[in-house]
Amino acid sequence: DGGITQSPKYLFRKEGQNVTLSCEQNLNHDAMYWYRQDPGQGLRLIYYSQIVNDFQKGDIAEGYSVSREKKESFPLTVTSAQKNPTAFYLCASSMAGPQETQYFGPGTRLLVL
Amino acid sequence: AQSVTQLDSHVSVSEGTPVLLRCNYSSSYSPSLFWYVQHPNKGLQLLLKYTSAATLVKGINGFEAEFKKSETSFHLTKPSAHMSDAAEYFCVVSGAGRRALTFGSGTRLQVQP
Repeated sequence: DGGITQSPKYLFRKEGQNVTLSCEQNLNHDAMYWYRQDPGQGLRLIYYSQIVNDFQKGDIAEGYSVSREKKESFPLTVTSAQKNPTAFYLCASSMAGPQETQYFGPGTRLLVL
Repeated sequence: AQSVTQLDSHVSVSEGTPVLLRCNYSSSYSPSLFWYVQHPNKGLQLLLKYTSAATLVKGINGFEAEFKKSETSFHLTKPSAHMSDAAEYFCVVSGAGRRALTFGSGTRLQVQP
C-alpha cells in the first residue's frame, strides 16, 4: 500500500528538549517537504529537499533541522530553539519539478508540556 | 512571486444545495493550481489540479473548478453538498520556483442538515 507515513500521531515535548518527527514515503518520490499548520492558518513551509543529501530552508526554518540520508525518509527535529512549537506538522512528497502534485501524510500534532 | 487569497474563511450551506468556495491567485508565471481538502486532524487530500490543459477541471467527490485567467480566479464548486463535505479547503498555487507551493489560508465549509 503506497503512501506517506508520519509518526508519532501525537508528540509531547518538555521545555529544553529536542524531538524528532518521522516521515517515510514509498512512492519513490524525489522531493519531500515539511509544513507547519497553526489554527486558522494555511500551511507554512519549514524545509524541503529535492534530492538525497540536499535540503533547503523554507519560510520558517528557525528552530528546526532536517536530514535526508535516504530517498524515502525525511525526519524533522524540533529543537529547543523553537520557542513556540505547538502545531500540526505535515510532511509531503512529490516527483521532481516545481509544479508536481504534492501528496501529504496524516500529520503529527506536537504539544508542549 | 506568487500568492493566493481565499475570499471566505467560513462558508455554511445546507445539505443538497450548491457549494462555492472562492480563490484568487497572483503569479508571475503560468501557474499550476490545486484544491486540497483537510478533514479534522488529518492530512491534506488532493481534490483537483489545473495545469493549462482544460480550463474546467473535474475532481473527486463531484467537485470541479474553473480557471479564469482574466479574473485570476480558480473557484471550487459542487452542485449538491453532502454532509461528508464538511472540512477545510485550501487553494494552492505553484509557480516556477523550486519551493513550488503557496497555500491560501483555508475556507472552512460547514454543511447543515
